[in-house]
Amino acid sequence: EVQLAQSGAEVKKPGESLKISCKGTGYSFSSYWIGWVRQMPGKGLEWMGVIYPDDSDTRYSPSVQGQVTISVDKSINTAYVQWSSLKASDTAMYYCARTGVSDSFHIWGQGTMVTVS
Amino acid sequence: DIQLTQSPPLLSASVGDTVTITCRASQAVSKYFAWYQQTPGEAPKLLIYAAYSLQSGVPSRFSGGGSGTEFTLTISTLQPEDFATYYCQQLITYPYTFGQGTKLEIK
Repeated sequence: EVQLAQSGAEVKKPGESLKISCKGTGYSFSSYWIGWVRQMPGKGLEWMGVIYPDDSDTRYSPSVQGQVTISVDKSINTAYVQWSSLKASDTAMYYCARTGVSDSFHIWGQGTMVTVS
Repeated sequence: DIQLTQSPPLLSASVGDTVTITCRASQAVSKYFAWYQQTPGEAPKLLIYAAYSLQSGVPSRFSGGGSGTEFTLTISTLQPEDFATYYCQQLITYPYTFGQGTKLEIK
């Protein structure tokens, strides 16, 4: 079964760093783009960016460019998003998702809640 | 960025009704378009990709249409589990923006 398993909820203070993960299983990890989607409390979905694990080609939304880093370790089938200095406004649920036959997100992780306070 | 405007933001309907949600793009996106469903506390779920292709496992009462700048998601014969929030997404130009969502509630 194709699955994306995300790391657990995090509670951090402003200014701290953080790296959350998304491990893919049941498929050829290097062959599909993986993306990150942010959902602030009570709000809609926001596309953050995507990475192609085979060559680490990465595309960011201008809204997060320079604020986060998306990376991948294909040796362990895991994608990441990281912050060097969190802000309260980073409080959100973060989903990873994988493309399929199209660039749409066909498979989703369960989400990682990040609270910065 | 391409802006997507969903209408209506809130839709009230009853079990058995047929409803249509519309999404308008600020520029043409051909058929690079998708629809998702999200229920409270859950991750989004892909319903429709490439404007009208039904994702595997999604009931046939969901259908997508449109091209260019206007797209629709139609749900026929609403079931209790269909009351959720629906999002559109364009996939022609990065960033692959989402619409603001349409909440479908029970009348």
